[in-house]
Amino acid sequence: AQSVTQLGSHVSVSEGALVLLRCNYSSSVPPYLFWYVQYPNQGLQLLLKYTSAATLVKGINGFEAEFKKSETSFHLTKPSAHMRDAAEYFCAVSGGPGGSYIPTFGRGTSLIVHP
Amino acid sequence: SAVISQKPSRDICQRGTSLTIQCQVDSQVTMMFWYRQQPGQSLTLIATANQGSEATYESGFVIDKFPISRPNLTFSTLTVSNMSPEDSSIYLCSVVGGGSYEQYFGPGTRLTVT
Repeated sequence: AQSVTQLGSHVSVSEGALVLLRCNYSSSVPPYLFWYVQYPNQGLQLLLKYTSAATLVKGINGFEAEFKKSETSFHLTKPSAHMRDAAEYFCAVSGGPGGSYIPTFGRGTSLIVHP
Repeated sequence: SAVISQKPSRDICQRGTSLTIQCQVDSQVTMMFWYRQQPGQSLTLIATANQGSEATYESGFVIDKFPISRPNLTFSTLTVSNMSPEDSSIYLCSVVGGGSYEQYFGPGTRLTVT
């Protein structure tokens, strides 16, 4: 079984401030972990993924995430927020080798960026 | 990666009618997935569609309400039947790509039932 918990349905930051979106997971097998972004009136776009290689994963648009097995976490960060980062962010987990390839999505975190 | 298009992009429908949503992928894929995203909610998997076989539905979703076709490796349709206002959602199709199971999504179909 696998599940994802995203802490905070809304996160509000000022432009230029650090972005931190939290994601904790549970999985009975070594997981693959993903962050997706959904801009208004669009589908989901893959930001980055963890697939058991480097624990610090860099994605598009300056985002990165660190896989911490001891904390079962995969938090998403960006050093400096831009207005264009305002969107809905979803964390997802799927089974790695031997596990289910169908991901389980978190409830999403809406990132609000203030000027 | 895969490029996915969906038609229609949005629609407003009357209660009791049906709407068929089309999903087209720019490459051949074995499995396609249909999700529902209700307002302010996460994604809920409706069904997995394999070419040449019956779709596999998740708990809470039935074929009579959400019939799916998968006539070839690049195309699928989802029909929302006998619609009610509770069916108002975004419907997304997706495919799995690469060796690490990331999903690629279409832009979604925004359905409003009045």
